[in-house]
Amino acid sequence: AIQLTQSPSSLSASVGDRVTITCRASQGISSALAWYQQKPGKAVKLLIYDASSLESGVPSRFSGSGSGTDFTLTISSLQPEDFATYYCQQFNSCPFTFGQGTRLEIK
Amino acid sequence: QVQLVQSGAEVKKPGASVKVSCKASGYTFSSYGISWVRQAPGQGLEWMGWISADKANTNYAQNLQGRVTMTTDTSTSTAYMELRSLRSDDTAVYYCARVRGYCSSTSCHRGAFDIWGQGTMVTVSS
Repeated sequence: AIQLTQSPSSLSASVGDRVTITCRASQGISSALAWYQQKPGKAVKLLIYDASSLESGVPSRFSGSGSGTDFTLTISSLQPEDFATYYCQQFNSCPFTFGQGTRLEIK
Repeated sequence: QVQLVQSGAEVKKPGASVKVSCKASGYTFSSYGISWVRQAPGQGLEWMGWISADKANTNYAQNLQGRVTMTTDTSTSTAYMELRSLRSDDTAVYYCARVRGYCSSTSCHRGAFDIWGQGTMVTVSS
């Protein structure tokens, strides 16, 4: 199974900061990667698919990049509603594994 | 609007079975696959498996093989996940999610879980 390793596991940042989360795959997955946001008590939300395609309705401050084994999710200017946990997921081959998550907290 | 609504919380004893439902609305149910994901308390997301739109393909996580069955009923636009021989470490929130993309049984081009259910808490305790 393909393993996804996210870094950092947790991150403290301030409103207005630029934040980057990394996801590394244990083998090449082309661009078959998605990013999600999870907040307590809310449904999980798709942010990015196919490594860099912004899901409809998602603010443009979110962006994704990468291919092969190394991927990043960037939030260009943090807003109060962005404090949450973020997960990457690969679709190159079953099982469609998730990264372990990155918890983004307010500094 | 497009949504997935799951059944309510369950409490089960070790060794029992649980069947969670996921009712879709707002889209053509038979055009999308459904996947199931679980999250143990304080832990990350774990992919459990998926069933394709045409029901021709299912693929389950290896650690659940033999204990899990995923089905769909197109007449009611409902997906089901049954987990048997429950253990304490099956205690988790269980989510269904709509699978979008061009998928074979084992991979998806432009794949994503674009709609998620609200989650169903399953507690396994004696």
